[in-house]
Amino acid sequence: SQTIHQWPATLVQPVGSPLSLECTVEGTSNPNLYWYRQAAGRGLQLLFYSVGIGQISSEVPQNLSASRPQDRQFILSSKKLLLSDSGFYLCAWNPGGLETQYFGPGTRLLVL
Amino acid sequence: KNEVEQSPQNLTAQEGEFITINCSYSVGISALHWLQQHPGGGIVSLFMLSSGKKKHGRLIATINIQEKHSSLHITASHPRDSAVYICAVRSNQFYFGTGTSLTVIP
Repeated sequence: SQTIHQWPATLVQPVGSPLSLECTVEGTSNPNLYWYRQAAGRGLQLLFYSVGIGQISSEVPQNLSASRPQDRQFILSSKKLLLSDSGFYLCAWNPGGLETQYFGPGTRLLVL
Repeated sequence: KNEVEQSPQNLTAQEGEFITINCSYSVGISALHWLQQHPGGGIVSLFMLSSGKKKHGRLIATINIQEKHSSLHITASHPRDSAVYICAVRSNQFYFGTGTSLTVIP
């Protein structure tokens, strides 16, 4: 069966510090991968998605970036965090663009 | 204006009640998803719909493409159904509603 992992579960970082969140999927190959952010009191926002290694599409301009160095690994990064980057970050995968997405447990990020 | 609107925003029900959560959208879509977010933050995908109706246990989801409207029904609600329910649509990108917070009281 397929599983999706995210780490860390919780992260507190100072403003201006770098960020690296990791997401890995097991039990499938060539998944579509997604990064979402849920800010406090707001809905989910799609940040990035990837249909293959090295292929990243950005949905919104921001100081975050994503990379997919391996088929089942998706990384969300920032060189300098902003206060507004605080939120709940979710990674998801699906076998194809229109199919049900499966979400990871999420990373709660607090930027102080 | 949000592309996806949900109602109600908050809902409190007694155990056993029949619950309906509504979702309206303003964009052309290829699919609509209903998601459940538990208090700890984890999200579970409940349904993906492109037409008609789907049923899974006590949960029923319907969609009317012409009216751009979907409903999520919970029959015989239980306290463990307490969660935030999120409607999401796939157009040229994903759009998400802000969620409906459901509390089921024993």
